[in-house]
Amino acid sequence: KAGVTQTPRYLIKTRGQQVTLSCSPISGHRSVSWYQQTPGQGLQFLFEYFSETQRNKGNFPGRFSGRQFSNSRSEMNVSTLELGDSALYLCASSPGLAGGLSSYNEQFFGPGTRLTVL
Amino acid sequence: QKEVEQNSGPLSVPEGAIASLNCTYSDRGSQSFFWYRQYSGKSPELIMFIYSNGDKEDGRFTAQLNKASQYVSLLIRDSQPSDSATYLCAVNRGSNYKLTFGKGTLLTVNP
Repeated sequence: KAGVTQTPRYLIKTRGQQVTLSCSPISGHRSVSWYQQTPGQGLQFLFEYFSETQRNKGNFPGRFSGRQFSNSRSEMNVSTLELGDSALYLCASSPGLAGGLSSYNEQFFGPGTRLTVL
Repeated sequence: QKEVEQNSGPLSVPEGAIASLNCTYSDRGSQSFFWYRQYSGKSPELIMFIYSNGDKEDGRFTAQLNKASQYVSLLIRDSQPSDSATYLCAVNRGSNYKLTFGKGTLLTVNP
C-alpha cells in the first residue's frame, strides 16, 4: 500500500507571499492532520480533517488554513508568509474513525514539505 | 508545565545495551500514547502505541505506561547503531484527533 505523499518537497518563498501544500493520504484513510515542525517548538498540531470537515484546530493564526477534498486529499495554505513560518510541514494520515481506544488513531506521516521563507 | 515532556538528551548507549526513553504528560484525559522515531532529515515513523497500563512488547521495543504517574517509557533492547535517532513521545485524548508531541530525545548508539 502506498504511503502518504506530500508535494512539493521543498519550497522557497519570500515574505508576504502565500503558499499551498498538498497531501495525499494512505488509500482508505479518511483523516488528514497537519503539523509544523521547527527546531525551537518541535512538532505542533495545525488542524485535522475528516470527510471534508475540520474536526480540530491548533493554536495558529488565521493565516494558516486547510481543506480536504472528497477523495481525502488535503491542502493547507499559508497566506502573508512570515520569516517564522519557515519549517517542515508534515501531513499525517489516519483511518480517522470516531470514538474508542483502538488503533484507528495511529497517524502515519508523509515525507514533509520543507518551506523556507526569505 | 509543558503538556508532554521528554529529556532532550543526548542519551548515549553502547551497542547491545538497553536504551530507556522517558516521557511524562500533564493531561490526565490522555488516553493513547505513541512513540515515533525520527532520523535526521526524515519524517517521524511510528514505532509503537499503547493505551493500557502495563507493558507492550514488539520485537526489541517495549512500551510501558503508568497512567497514575502520567508516565510512559520506551525500552529498546539490544540497541543498534541504526537505532540512533530522535524519539518522539506523543499523546492523544482519544476524542480530539490531535497528537501532542514532546520535543524528543536524541539517542546515540555507539558501536
